[in-house]
Amino acid sequence: QPVLTQPPSSSASPGESARLTCTLPSDINVGSYDIYWYQQKPGSPPRYLLYYYSDSRKGQGSGVPSRFSGSKDASANTGILLISGLQSEDEADYYCMIWPNHVGVFGGGTKLAVL
Amino acid sequence: EVQLVESGGGLVQPGGSLRLSCAASGFTFSDHYMDWVRQAPGKGLEWVGRTRNKADSYTTQYAASVKGRFTISREDSKNSLYLQMNSLKTEDTAVYYCARIYSSASWYFDYWGQGTLVTVSS
Repeated sequence: QPVLTQPPSSSASPGESARLTCTLPSDINVGSYDIYWYQQKPGSPPRYLLYYYSDSRKGQGSGVPSRFSGSKDASANTGILLISGLQSEDEADYYCMIWPNHVGVFGGGTKLAVL
Repeated sequence: EVQLVESGGGLVQPGGSLRLSCAASGFTFSDHYMDWVRQAPGKGLEWVGRTRNKADSYTTQYAASVKGRFTISREDSKNSLYLQMNSLKTEDTAVYYCARIYSSASWYFDYWGQGTLVTVSS
């Protein structure tokens, strides 16, 4: 089962941007996968944010603000969640996910602090 | 309103069995793939497995960590999803969520239950 690597923590100030990364193992090409992103706040189930495959194939979750966006860095084999105009309510855990061979794999999650 | 309500969690000894249920309402249950996702205390999310819909022959798929021990089933007539867990290990201790897959063409979880806690301990 592949491992998706996410930094355990990240922080940024209100109004700034946060760039959260999800690095795939070298034997899995990020260009071949939809990267899904979820947000989870304490005591609640996760919430779907968006998925990103390419600029022409992406999707936003229902009610998710446009300041949440996805991208990829092919050179780093990494999926990226960008949160612009950070708000205190964005403080949460963020998980990436892919579906290699129809099996779900989550990243370890990044705890985002909005300081 | 879409609702998913899990039940059946509790304390069980290592090697024991437990059956979780997920009651669905507010949508056409039979149309959707349904999955289980778990989260150990203080840890990240782990996909457990899936049952597809009738159109895709109710096929199932499992994470390697539970394959051969856990069985996912569904009863469309009762709008219910199940997770039969056998040969439980301490590392199976987690909150278990049932989650709806948006569509067979777009595999994201658009609705989640609140979860049910399973504790495996002697």
